[in-house]
Amino acid sequence: DAGITQSPRYKITETGRQVTLMCHQTWSHSYMFWYRQDLGHGLRLIYYSAAADITDKGEVPDGYVVSRSKTENFPLTLESATRSQTSVYFCASSRYGGELFFGEGSRLTVL
Amino acid sequence: AQSVSQHNHHVILSEAASLELGCNYSYGGTVNLFWYVQYPGQHLQLLLKYFSGDPLVKGIKGFEAEFIKSKFSFNLRKPSVQWSDTAEYFCAVVSGGGADGLTFGKGTHLIIQP
Repeated sequence: DAGITQSPRYKITETGRQVTLMCHQTWSHSYMFWYRQDLGHGLRLIYYSAAADITDKGEVPDGYVVSRSKTENFPLTLESATRSQTSVYFCASSRYGGELFFGEGSRLTVL
Repeated sequence: AQSVSQHNHHVILSEAASLELGCNYSYGGTVNLFWYVQYPGQHLQLLLKYFSGDPLVKGIKGFEAEFIKSKFSFNLRKPSVQWSDTAEYFCAVVSGGGADGLTFGKGTHLIIQP
């Protein structure tokens, strides 16, 4: 049972570059989420998706783009990375909304 | 919008001490409540959850939480902590169907000294 996997686990990039963080879940959960975790802020929701081809903005969506062409995948793209996007990014899924199951996280550093 | 307040950002305890971490939420309607734990370098894992019924909820590793609706609170407790409980603890709330995700508190960093 692979669950939910994120890649890459660690990424260093430069300001202005495009970065895509991948998220794949094997449970066929309808709902998927992207959070970022920063010291002093806890977890903040970036984007979420209730089903394939349905996405919506969360609390901090600026500078990010998502897509969900297949139920199992929910990639997060930083179109032009900025230093303020240095963070740990967590993907999560949920069958019905409510309880979330988290991936291992992707630590992104923007130089 | 909902908000979750965790009163203690850093807590340091000795082994065998009792633990209580405070959590208050702002939403006045029906809510589901969660406590997640994040061990150093790891992802978030569910400790316990409250959906309905008995307001005293028992979770894994000896943790429990009590939902007090009148106080909008969902405090986490453990009678005797261990060094392995050192972690970050997050309280979270969801209302309605939960399609727009959980709202998390800022977390409490718990350090247990041997």
